[in-house]
Parts: sequence; structure tokens; C-alpha cells
Amino acid sequence: DTGVSQDPRHKITKRGQNVTFRCDPISEHNRLYWYRQTLGQGPEFLTYFQNEAQLEKSRLLSDRFSAERPKGSFSTLEIQRTEQGDSAMYLCASSQDRGQPQHFGDGTRLSIL
Amino acid sequence: RKEVEQDPGPFNVPEGATVAFNCTYSNSASQSFFWYRQDCRKEPKLLMSVYSSGNEDGRFTAQLNRASQYISLLIRDSKLSDSATYLCVVNMVVGGSYIPTFGRGTSLIVHP
Repeated sequence: DTGVSQDPRHKITKRGQNVTFRCDPISEHNRLYWYRQTLGQGPEFLTYFQNEAQLEKSRLLSDRFSAERPKGSFSTLEIQRTEQGDSAMYLCASSQDRGQPQHFGDGTRLSIL
Repeated sequence: RKEVEQDPGPFNVPEGATVAFNCTYSNSASQSFFWYRQDCRKEPKLLMSVYSSGNEDGRFTAQLNRASQYISLLIRDSKLSDSATYLCVVNMVVGGSYIPTFGRGTSLIVHP
């Protein structure tokens, strides 16, 4: 299967710890997106990359959040000093180009104790 | 006012019914529109793109009204398996970038 893959599927950690998630997009897709989704809400845009360049960041993305896509392939999303409010599903998606539909990974469910 | 608005529902309909959802957006410069389906605790999956002239895929019809800034999804002959949350996505143009913006989703429950 050559879809979008995310790792880990679930992460449980204590408040104050750092966590890092990985996303591998569909190989021919240039664009990679990160979203956060909480219960009863749609996915909220966090940031996106065109190849290795991070082109846009939501103001939701506080300075505790950082994302990278070092070689324009996989991406990582790191959250430092996690807080209770960071508990959510973190979704990654990729698309061939702007305006094209996105394909989502299974997501990483983060729970902060 | 949220940038993309949907009635959260739930819409509770019997099998075989026709049901329609609307989604309004605030940014008139928006380009590209999509409907996604999301099952409980799963990732969103693309249902269909929405084209200016309207488009149909089997029992599903999507329409775009740029003047009134809304898109719609019509489901005919509802099946039990159509029960899910339907998310609309609007690519908002912000400073030259396309920012995909989701509505909160409309919950559909199809009962026997």
C-alpha cells in the first residue's frame, strides 16, 4: 500500500514531555499538510510544506510546535512541553499540487496524562 | 463567524431517503472545493471534488454556488453504510497560498 502513513498510531505521555510524530506521504506528492482534530470538530490546519519548504503556519501552531520536512519526503511534527490541551488526533495529508485533493494518513492519537 | 460553516446535525433519515447538506464559506476568493467522509475514529476520505458546473458520482451530487458562497452535497437512496460525518473543505486563498479549511462536519445517521 503506497498511501500516507503515520507513526505512531497512538501516543500516551505525561504533561511536560516532548513528543515527535512522523508522516510519510504518497511518494509523488509535493505537498504535505499537518492538521489537528478534536472530538466533534473538523480537522484544523496547522502547517504545510511544498517539497522541503514550509510555506504556511497557522497561528494555532504555538512556539512549542515545530515541523520539518528535511529532504522533501517524510515530515516530523514535534510538540515540546506538552499540555493537556494538546490531546487530539494529529493528521497528516499529502497532495500532488495546490488545489488538488488531499489523501490522509490514519493519524496519531495523542493523550496527555 | 467561522470561515467554513456546516450544520453539525445529526441528520437522522430512513434507508432510501434523499438528504442534502450545505456548507457556506466566507472567503470569496476560495478555490477548489471537496467533500470528505469520515467514519468514527478514522481518517477523512475523499468523497468527491466539487466543480463549478456541478457533478455527480452515482448516488452523490455536489454543487457549487459561488454567488452565494456555498457548496452542497445531495445523497439519494441513502444506505445504512452512508452513516458517517461529511466534511466540506474549501481551499481559501490567503496571500497567494491555498489553505485547506474544513467545516466541523455534518453527522448523518441512516436507520432501517
